[in-house]
Amino acid sequence: GAVVSQHPSWVICKSGTSVKIECRSLDFQATTMFWYRQFPKQSLMLMATSNEGSKATYEQGVEKDKFLINHASLTLSTLTVTSAHPEDSSFYICSASGTSYETQYFGPGTRLLVL
Amino acid sequence: GQQLNQSPQSMFIQEGEDVSMNCTSSSIFNTWLWYKQDPGEGPVLLIALYKAGELTSNGRLTAQFGITRKDSFLNISASIPSDVGIYFCAGPRDKLTFGKGTLLTVNP
Repeated sequence: GAVVSQHPSWVICKSGTSVKIECRSLDFQATTMFWYRQFPKQSLMLMATSNEGSKATYEQGVEKDKFLINHASLTLSTLTVTSAHPEDSSFYICSASGTSYETQYFGPGTRLLVL
Repeated sequence: GQQLNQSPQSMFIQEGEDVSMNCTSSSIFNTWLWYKQDPGEGPVLLIALYKAGELTSNGRLTAQFGITRKDSFLNISASIPSDVGIYFCAGPRDKLTFGKGTLLTVNP
């Protein structure tokens, strides 16, 4: 089956620093990649949708200047949390799809803790 | 936005018991998806349903796409400890919307 990886799996950073999370589709070309955020005991909330070579589309309430998304190739998307604050601490999960957004393959997630 | 109401919120069962959970929406969906999320991991697709009335099985899991296209059910038979996790329903429209999840705990 399709495999999506994320790196790092967890990260601890100081408030005010920036953190980059990578999402890779290992065995297929992902036309679209999605970034989700999940707080403890809650569901996944879509943050943004990115298509290769295009600017990401952000969901309402998600600051595009704070959560920078780059989708430079069909196998790699990155999410950069800029000037991170403790309230940004969360579980960030990416997913990738080929031709249909209905079929999304999820990465294992990245746990971010901002001190 | 779209909302999927998932119930129950949590379940505590004994190993060997059957489990049933459901998902409802005020809107029609053409596809229903069921995912399982293990602690600290991303969701894994269990079953996808594409047709109203469809009943699909994946091992001990069985899911049904409601006739009204506004609901779906997931059943797990003869539960085992590794069934522990959070089960999410999801429906795609302009984006993939997730239910709030059902936390399943299985006591050996």
